[in-house]
Amino acid sequence: GAGVSQSPSNKVTEKGKDVELRCDPISGHTALYWYRQSLGQGLEFLIYFQGNSAPDKSGLPSDRFSAERTGGSVSTLTIQRTQQEDSAVYLCASSLGGVGSGNTIYFGEGSWLTVV
Amino acid sequence: KQEVTQIPAALSVPEGENLVLNCSFTDSAIYNLQWFRQDPGKGLTSLLLIQSSQREQTSGRLNASLDKSSGRSTLYIAASQPGDSATYLCAVRRGNRLAFGKGNQVVVIP
Repeated sequence: GAGVSQSPSNKVTEKGKDVELRCDPISGHTALYWYRQSLGQGLEFLIYFQGNSAPDKSGLPSDRFSAERTGGSVSTLTIQRTQQEDSAVYLCASSLGGVGSGNTIYFGEGSWLTVV
Repeated sequence: KQEVTQIPAALSVPEGENLVLNCSFTDSAIYNLQWFRQDPGKGLTSLLLIQSSQREQTSGRLNASLDKSSGRSTLYIAASQPGDSATYLCAVRRGNRLAFGKGNQVVVIP
């Protein structure tokens, strides 16, 4: 597609349920990022994928969060046993190259998660 | 840990005035700096990317400067329009991640 595509755009879930958020990066982009934006807060790095390398998971806030990227393209962010503090916008981004490549990073519209 | 600060947090200007948005960062060892725009309820739109070796980038009415040694970047928007109303985010890249400021929330008054 022309841009980074995320789904669902909005999700309301009950506390304790699991959720999956999907990201489809720009075709040909090898680098993929997940960020979280909470109300009134800045963007928080979650995880980074580059090609077939092991992902940088250093930003994941707890072991309830996990992400995978299949076939070097689509990525899924999974949040298990959701808590109210997980309510946020989850933004996915992609770029043509990885670290140090100097390429522009393009963001999707985000998945708005509300945990009730 | 890289910290990014944007000042002012919010500002309103009459249409036609030039906008000056400031971004400062604590660690000058960066790969590049990127300015984004975010409209309410939307994702981020990339405006300008400045590599660490560059001093400025221009696109239309937008100009961004980078002074890496002093840890500063400035985004200039000439002849502001109501459609420029948005939150502008500065992000510096080092390693695998971008470190973001909290944004400059801009309102251009017709």
